Amino acid sequence: QVQLVESGGGLVKPGGSLRLSCAASGFTFSDYYMSWIRQAPGKGLEWVSYISSSGSTIYYADSVKGRFTISRDNAKNSLYLQMNSLRAEDTAVYYCARPQGGYDEDAFDIWGQGTMVTVSS
Amino acid sequence: DIQMTQSPSSLSASVGDRVTITCRASQSISSYLNWYQQKPGKAPKLLIYAASSLQSGVPSRFSGSGSGTDFTLTISSLQPEDFATYYCQQSYSTLVTFGQGTKLEIK
Repeated sequence: QVQLVESGGGLVKPGGSLRLSCAASGFTFSDYYMSWIRQAPGKGLEWVSYISSSGSTIYYADSVKGRFTISRDNAKNSLYLQMNSLRAEDTAVYYCARPQGGYDEDAFDIWGQGTMVTVSS
Repeated sequence: DIQMTQSPSSLSASVGDRVTITCRASQSISSYLNWYQQKPGKAPKLLIYAASSLQSGVPSRFSGSGSGTDFTLTISSLQPEDFATYYCQQSYSTLVTFGQGTKLEIK
């Protein structure tokens, strides 16, 4: 079935780095834009980043621009988020999500289960 | 960025009630408005896309309407499984934004 599975979360000190992965299955990954969305404990949803199907077009939220890097490997059906210079306010559950029609104007119809990132000394 | 404002932030209702949640965009977003339901510890679930289209598998008691800047999500007859938090989201801009959420609680 169509599935997204995140991994790579954990506890990291402020200023540290972490790389999240999202493994896709059950659909043609290379046909879809992909996104990362996060949710701080007890808070709402915050979009983080978008990458086009080829990886040639990328967008970031202002809150992570210059610190986070989104990438993908279509041969491995995988999405990544490299997070550097982490701050306490980056503590959140990170979800990867697929836009339904494959493009950035579409709703997110498939979400992973999320991976928790905790930034604390 | 396009700001999305939901109201109310929380709502108490009873099983069988009709409930409406409102979402307002800071600029026109045509019909690029989506609604999600989230239960504790779970990923969000898509309910309504393009303002009024019901996602496959979602019960018909859920409906959406609106265009431009003002949108509504209506649950026609609340069921016990509907108590959750609801989010609107605009996909007009690639810089996606979500509303702050509406927590629907049992009265």
